[in-house]
Amino acid sequence: NAGVTQTPKFQVLKTGQSMTLQCAQDMNHEYMSWYRQDPGMGLRLIHYSVGAGITDQGEVPNGYNVSRSTTEDFPLRLLSAAPSQTSVYFCASGGGRINEQFFGPGTRLTVL
Amino acid sequence: ILNVEQSPQSLHVQEGDSTNFTCSFPSSNFYALHWYRWETAKSPEALFVMTLNGDEKKKGRISATLNTKEGYSYLYIKGSQPEDSATYLCALSAMDGGSQGNLIFGKGTKLSVKP
Repeated sequence: NAGVTQTPKFQVLKTGQSMTLQCAQDMNHEYMSWYRQDPGMGLRLIHYSVGAGITDQGEVPNGYNVSRSTTEDFPLRLLSAAPSQTSVYFCASGGGRINEQFFGPGTRLTVL
Repeated sequence: ILNVEQSPQSLHVQEGDSTNFTCSFPSSNFYALHWYRWETAKSPEALFVMTLNGDEKKKGRISATLNTKEGYSYLYIKGSQPEDSATYLCALSAMDGGSQGNLIFGKGTKLSVKP
């Protein structure tokens, strides 16, 4: 099992550009989520999904869109990148009542 | 929004020292308490999940306890080694109407162990 995979590992964008961060898991988890990690802020939930076709907002959703067309994939879209979105992004999957999260390796995004 | 507090923010110890840190959380709506270990340039890895008041978990030299009535959990490391250097994250999953069991993370305790 590959677990949770994310691409790309690093990305530099200019303000206003759009891009999609990819996330996939092969553990058949119903729950998937996106977090951002900023210095002094810890991990903050951006969006989450409890199954294919179902998504919802987390703590910091503004500027990001998600979709969940399959159980395996949960891409995160930045429609118009802003410098405030410079961060490290982690995708995670889990499930069950305990919802233990398995994290991907992260994407380091810089917006100039 | 529920708040999870961790203390101390950072900790520097010598190899062989034992150490502990605290995670505090609101005791209402509690469902599960998670501890993660996060090494620099890697992704967080689950250490323990605890659900019952009085739960104790152990993995090698690392152990954790849970008190849901007073809203805290302790993580202990016995005989710290340099490879224990990492940030230790605590996360709460609470059951309320819309959260669907989302994890709420504390800001972590950064442990540095000097040889």
